[in-house]
Amino acid sequence: DTEVTQTPKHLVMGMTNKKSLKCEQHMGHRAMYWYKQKAKKPPELMFVYSYEKLSINESVPSRFSPECPNSSLLNLHLHALQPEDSALYLCASSHPGTVNNEQFFGPGTRLTVL
Amino acid sequence: GQSLEQPSEVTAVEGAIVQINCTYQTSGFYGLSWYQQHDGGAPTFLSYNALDGLEETGRFSSFLSRSDSYGYLLLQELQMKDSASYFCAVQNAGNNRKLIWGLGTSLAVNP
Repeated sequence: DTEVTQTPKHLVMGMTNKKSLKCEQHMGHRAMYWYKQKAKKPPELMFVYSYEKLSINESVPSRFSPECPNSSLLNLHLHALQPEDSALYLCASSHPGTVNNEQFFGPGTRLTVL
Repeated sequence: GQSLEQPSEVTAVEGAIVQINCTYQTSGFYGLSWYQQHDGGAPTFLSYNALDGLEETGRFSSFLSRSDSYGYLLLQELQMKDSASYFCAVQNAGNNRKLIWGLGTSLAVNP
């Protein structure tokens, strides 16, 4: 299994809602990432988990809360988001031991905040 | 600061060869990666260079010159399906090997 899956594919939420994005991989990768991507822009790193521990938080607002319950799963909890948070949210994973740190991306969740 | 520069748009015809350049200025450097992203799709890894020289993978090749802080992606025998955005990304030394991404080059392949 060489894929990263993400659910849901699309999400529309109001500014007062709480929702979660889910990501799963079964490649045995021990590094997992959350990215945010706006149209025509590169992916913007949000969080990195390495061996289930949060290793990078790119000064992301606290309305985004990541969680890594185990080595295969990564969640992103959303609360009180703003319309400018509307974007494609990408999950990725990689094997920390590889030279090229190839990152495998999931298809993303298209989030719209109303 | 840390930055990568690549052309914003490139247009070519089927069967042609195109080169997408990337210059970088970063505080640390492990290697240069290239990713492809089709509209509505996820980025997919194309290649990685840690040492100077050319790496070839089928129709795609990637080159790196560390002394010039420069690399390029070479796409040969272009096909319509190669129309996509191409991102160069520097693997940062230390800091959990975080990727620093370029702004991307939108490649349009015309018949």
